[in-house]
Amino acid sequence: GAVVSQHPSWVICKSGTSVKIECRSLDFQATTMFWYRQFPKQSLMLMATSNEGSKATYEQGVEKDKFLINHASLTLSTLTVTSAHPEDSSFYICSARTDLNTEAFFGQGTRLTVV
Amino acid sequence: QKEVEQNSGPLSVPEGAIASLNCTYSDRGSQSFFWYRQYSGKSPELIMFIYSNGDKEDGRFTAQLNKASQYVSLLIRDSQPSDSATYLCAVKDTGNQFYFGTGTSLTVIP
Repeated sequence: GAVVSQHPSWVICKSGTSVKIECRSLDFQATTMFWYRQFPKQSLMLMATSNEGSKATYEQGVEKDKFLINHASLTLSTLTVTSAHPEDSSFYICSARTDLNTEAFFGQGTRLTVV
Repeated sequence: QKEVEQNSGPLSVPEGAIASLNCTYSDRGSQSFFWYRQYSGKSPELIMFIYSNGDKEDGRFTAQLNKASQYVSLLIRDSQPSDSATYLCAVKDTGNQFYFGTGTSLTVIP
C-alpha cells in the first residue's frame, strides 16, 4: 500500500503553546487528507477533511480556530493545535487518499501530551 | 458524525477458532466499507474493503456486506494469537468521508 508519514510521533508541550503535526504522502499525491483524534479506549473521531488548495471541512463540534489545518500541496497537510490544553492530549492520526484509491492510508499517528 | 456501531467486546476466542466481528451503519447511502486492525498505540492498518453485497474473501479473512440490513461483518478463520487487536469498521459515505466504529477488542487465546 501507499505510505503516509506523520511527524512527530510523540510530542509533549506546555499548556498554552501550539503544536504542529505534519502528514506527508510519500509515494502518491493525496487529493484528500483526513485528520482524526483518538482518546484512550475510544474509536477514531473524524475532526476534519482537507482537499488540496481549499479550506478544510470540520466536523461538528471541532473548533476550526483551535485546530488549524493546512493542505497546501498534494503531499503535505499540517494540523496545528493552538493554545493547547491538557484536555487536548490525545492520539492524532492522519490519513490520505487519492481519487483513484478506494481506501485511505494512515500515518503512524502522533501522541500529544499537554502538561 | 455518522453512526457506525460495533460491539465493543472484548471478544475472546480460542486459537484456531473462527472470530466473528459485526458492524452496523446508519447512512443508507454509504458506498464502501472497510475493516482495519489496530494494535495498542499504533495506527490502524487496512485488512480489507468491500462495496458489493455478498462475501469477499482474502486469505483467512472474509468480509460480508448486506446493504439492505446496513450490516457488514468480518470473519477470521483459524484465529491466531497475533490476530489479537482492536478491529475497526469504517464506512465511506457519499461525501467520501470515512467514519469509524468504536472498535471490537479481540483476544485469541493460545
